[in-house]
Amino acid sequence: DQQVKQNSPSLSVQEGRISILNCDYTNSMFDYFLWYKKYPAEGPTFLISISSIKDKNEDGRFTVFLNKSAKHLSLHIVPSQPGDSAVYFCAASNGDKLTFGKGITLSVRP
Amino acid sequence: SAVISQKPSRDICQRGTSLTIQCQVDSQVTMMFWYRQQPGQSLTLIATANQGSEATYESGFVIDKFPISRPNLTFSTLTVSNMSPEDSSIYLCSVWEDLTEAFFGQGTRLTVV
Repeated sequence: DQQVKQNSPSLSVQEGRISILNCDYTNSMFDYFLWYKKYPAEGPTFLISISSIKDKNEDGRFTVFLNKSAKHLSLHIVPSQPGDSAVYFCAASNGDKLTFGKGITLSVRP
Repeated sequence: SAVISQKPSRDICQRGTSLTIQCQVDSQVTMMFWYRQQPGQSLTLIATANQGSEATYESGFVIDKFPISRPNLTFSTLTVSNMSPEDSSIYLCSVWEDLTEAFFGQGTRLTVV
């Protein structure tokens, strides 16, 4: 039972354009959502998060949108840079533990 | 933010043997977790490492296979016992601060041959 789903395994965008990474969840008990970025041979690093009481959180080039009714969140990166190329994991918290999606590989073309 | 040192960073092991992975945090943390990431899969929680008591295991993971120690608030070990090729994965230590942000070690890439 996959409670956090990232249905697209990969995304390729041109440098300077917007990257939109999507995530869906099924458990209505999740109340906090996080995005992590992972480079090869490194552990995941925290990127941005959002509480279920909000619908948007912005930090520089990164914005996360939450649609609770649709149980959907998305990460927007604008403008995209080649250094953003990595695997991005969506994670959801119910206060006890984090549940992760499978990740999406973002490639930003120069 | 917590700094986590995890070792070894990688290892190649013979089937039937055991490997112990260490996780050291630069500050005292209450919640410490062990994850596994199999090829092409998400990060799957193995267990919560509880200080001073037995670890809490997720469905599909058992203490005999993945014994965990947590002797204090800055250190934990995960042992992968009686290894088989199916145990080849990346194992990650993670700590939580204020339940809203988790930090990860760099991971241990295990290959069982």
